[in-house]
Amino acid sequence: EAGVAQSPRYKIIEKRQSVAFWCNPISGHATLYWYQQILGQGPKLLIQFQNNGVVDDSQLPKDRFSAERLKGVDSTLKIQPAKLEDSAVYLCASSLDPGDTEAFFGQGTRLTVV
Amino acid sequence: GENVEQHPSTLSVQEGDSAVIKCTYSDSASNYFPWYKQELGKGPQLIIDIRSNVGEKKDQRIAVTLNKTAKHFSLHITETQPEDSAVYFCAAIPGTYKYIFGTGTRLKVLA
Repeated sequence: EAGVAQSPRYKIIEKRQSVAFWCNPISGHATLYWYQQILGQGPKLLIQFQNNGVVDDSQLPKDRFSAERLKGVDSTLKIQPAKLEDSAVYLCASSLDPGDTEAFFGQGTRLTVV
Repeated sequence: GENVEQHPSTLSVQEGDSAVIKCTYSDSASNYFPWYKQELGKGPQLIIDIRSNVGEKKDQRIAVTLNKTAKHFSLHITETQPEDSAVYFCAAIPGTYKYIFGTGTRLKVLA
């Protein structure tokens, strides 16, 4: 079974530039999550999709972050404009259902904003 | 709000010894408690989980215990090996289905 695919693996941008991350979840997984993991901390949920609808985006900085999941499969997360404090690993995860089921994580995209 | 506290933040043990990591959660509606292992440069991977209707679960050298009354759960690793060295995260899933992760424990197994 193929895992959660993310790209790119690494990205370095200057502050105020824009960047986009892509995620392809495990086939058949209805729930998709984007997490931000700052160095030395646990993952923090940014947004959760159920199919192509947003379930929770309460911690997404909507003035600069946006995400979409067209057709309920792939998802993109965009930051525009980036700030220095956005430097982190962005993890995508998917699960078969929301709630008490295992979430499978991708390898993440390491973003450095300089 | 929902919160998961995890201790210790770092843990060093001699190879062959046991390691224990503890977490407490705030939302009494939480009913699923997974533990993830994250190796350098990789995403977290599930190693064991427990549901609220079970007090203990074991899988070879790894076990998890849950005390719902006290709202805490623990990961126990016995006979530690160098390959157990990683960062471990606990998580609690409340009724909102939102994974709330702990702050992580960096485990070092010394050969």
